[in-house]
Amino acid sequence: NAGVTQTPKFRVLKTGQSMTLLCAQDMNHEYMYWYRQDPGMGLRLIHYSVGEGTTAKGEVPDGYNVSRLKKQNFLLGLESAAPSQTSVYFCASSYGSEAFFGQGTRLTVV
Amino acid sequence: GENVEQHPSTLSVQEGDSAVIKCTYSDSASNYFPWYKQELGKGPQLIIDIRSNVGEKKDQRIAVTLNKTAKHFSLHITETQPEDSAVYFCAASGPDSWGKLQFGAGTQVVVTP
Repeated sequence: NAGVTQTPKFRVLKTGQSMTLLCAQDMNHEYMYWYRQDPGMGLRLIHYSVGEGTTAKGEVPDGYNVSRLKKQNFLLGLESAAPSQTSVYFCASSYGSEAFFGQGTRLTVV
Repeated sequence: GENVEQHPSTLSVQEGDSAVIKCTYSDSASNYFPWYKQELGKGPQLIIDIRSNVGEKKDQRIAVTLNKTAKHFSLHITETQPEDSAVYFCAASGPDSWGKLQFGAGTQVVVTP
């Protein structure tokens, strides 16, 4: 099993550009999450999903949108990237409390 | 909402010594407390967790203790080895919170030979 796979691993965007981060899990988990990690701040929840077709806001949702059209995929979109969105993004999935994380996407907005 | 504070932010230990990381939480309803290890360039990986109905849990060289009254929990690593060098995160979540974790800021552990 691959577990949780994120694409791409690295990306540089110009301010105002848009992009989509893809997360795929092969563990048949109902719940999926997007976190961002910034120095000295741990991981903060952006959006999450409790099942196919559902999404909800986390702690820091502004500037991001998500979609969960298929159970195994959870997409994170940035419609108009800002330098404040420079971060490392982690996707996770769970069947209960234990969350399994992907390898991360390092995004730089210039 | 929940707030998790983690100390220290950096910890340097000699190989073979013990390392202790402490976290406090604010929401008395929180009932699940995992610890994650993150190696350079990788995602966080669960190393041990504890639920609020248990005071202590051990797994080989790693142990976690929980004091519900004081709302703090700690990670103990004994007989540290160079491969223990990483960033460690504590986290907390409440009932029906699935994997919606509130993380501490992290502790950079460096084990020197």
